[in-house]
Formats: sequence, structure tokens, C-alpha cells
Amino acid sequence: ETGVTQTPRHLVMGMTNKKSLKCEQHLGHNAMYWYKQSAKKPLELMFVYNFKEQTENNSVPSRFSPECPNSSHLFLHLHTLQPEDSALYLCASSHKLAGVGQVGETQYFGPGTRLLVL
Amino acid sequence: AQKITQTQPGMFVQEKEAVTLDCTYDTSDPSYGLFWYKQPSSGEMIFLIYQGSYDQQNATEGRYSLNFQKARKSANLVISASQLGDSAMYFCAMREAYNTDKLIFGTGTRLQVFP
Repeated sequence: ETGVTQTPRHLVMGMTNKKSLKCEQHLGHNAMYWYKQSAKKPLELMFVYNFKEQTENNSVPSRFSPECPNSSHLFLHLHTLQPEDSALYLCASSHKLAGVGQVGETQYFGPGTRLLVL
Repeated sequence: AQKITQTQPGMFVQEKEAVTLDCTYDTSDPSYGLFWYKQPSSGEMIFLIYQGSYDQQNATEGRYSLNFQKARKSANLVISASQLGDSAMYFCAMREAYNTDKLIFGTGTRLQVFP
């Protein structure tokens, strides 16, 4: 595998289900991100992990629970979602120098998981 | 106020022609970076090109170039010799120095290349 991979690519779940999205990066990066992309809206940053530590939670509801066990893997645990949570969920990774970000740091994205909540 | 504005929801271009996708930005941070990404229907965001606020030259990457006009706060993407495979959504994004974790995206422009 190369780049950033995400599984599953498509997910349909009921509001009472619990599911998890998985992201894996094969780029040797040390920062990982979750984004939400809804129709007609800009990409919204959800969570940021630097060196496995969460550094940003962009006011995301608690029904979304991220987990970063190591620098290569990122999960998004989902429970009791709402229909308005249906969206494309994108994972990204980047390389931070010595834990400090730079404006030129490039994020590389995975193919996303298309989530439909019924 | 929106940080990144892409005023063209859709653009059409004929194959082999050049096309310019507009992007304006708003920041008071003197240090920032500007990015363009391509998103085909498959969903993946593909990094195309980067321009730093202190870069003297406009960025170029193959058929992609960035027309950076700092005083006007614009960072337009120019695609030369369009190909059918260029049909996709294109997003402009910015990162400011005061919060380098956050990449701020515009709403995107859908480009369709026709034969």
C-alpha cells in the first residue's frame, strides 16, 4: 500500500449503530487529520493528531470519537449518529518538523469514506 | 468573513485550452501558504501546487501554475493544455502561520473539460 488508505470506502449505518472508520498512512508522517466534507460546504477540519497527541478538536460532537494508537493509524469511532452526519470523511497526514508546523507543510489525503446515516 | 473565496462554482474548457480558476483569500498574518487540490469523483484530494507568501516567484508544477498576486490577495490556478482527465473539483486552501494545524478550504470549482 502507498500513500494514505481509508476503510471502508462506503458505509451505511443506522442511527443506533456503532461503527469505526480506519485510516492508515504509509508516508512516514507524524501528523494525522480527520475532515468532514458535506455537500455544498467547504471541508471542515474535525481533529488533528501530532505525534499521536490530539492537538485540535474543532467543536466536534461527542458522537465522533477519534483514536490515534500510533503515528501511522487513525480511527474515527461513530455512535448514535444523525442523518446530517452523512458526508465524505477524509483522512490526511503530513510531516511536521520537530513538532512545529510550517505554512508550507503539505497534507496528503486518503480516498475518503462515504457515510450514509439512515 | 470567508478566508478563502472561490467565486466560480463551475467552469468549462475545451481540451488543449488553458483555464484559470480563481481564488481570493483573506488574512492579516504576513506568513501563510496557499495550496490547490484536485478532487476527482472518486473522492481523493490530490495535492497540486503550493505557494508561500514570501515566495518571489510564482509556483509551477508541470501543467499547473499559480498566478500569485499578493497585493490583490489572489492565488489563481492556471491549467495549461487541459486534458479530459482534468475534469474534477478544484479546491483552494490556505494555512496561516499562527495556526499551522488548520488548512482552510474554499467551496471549490467544478471544472469540466470537453473534447
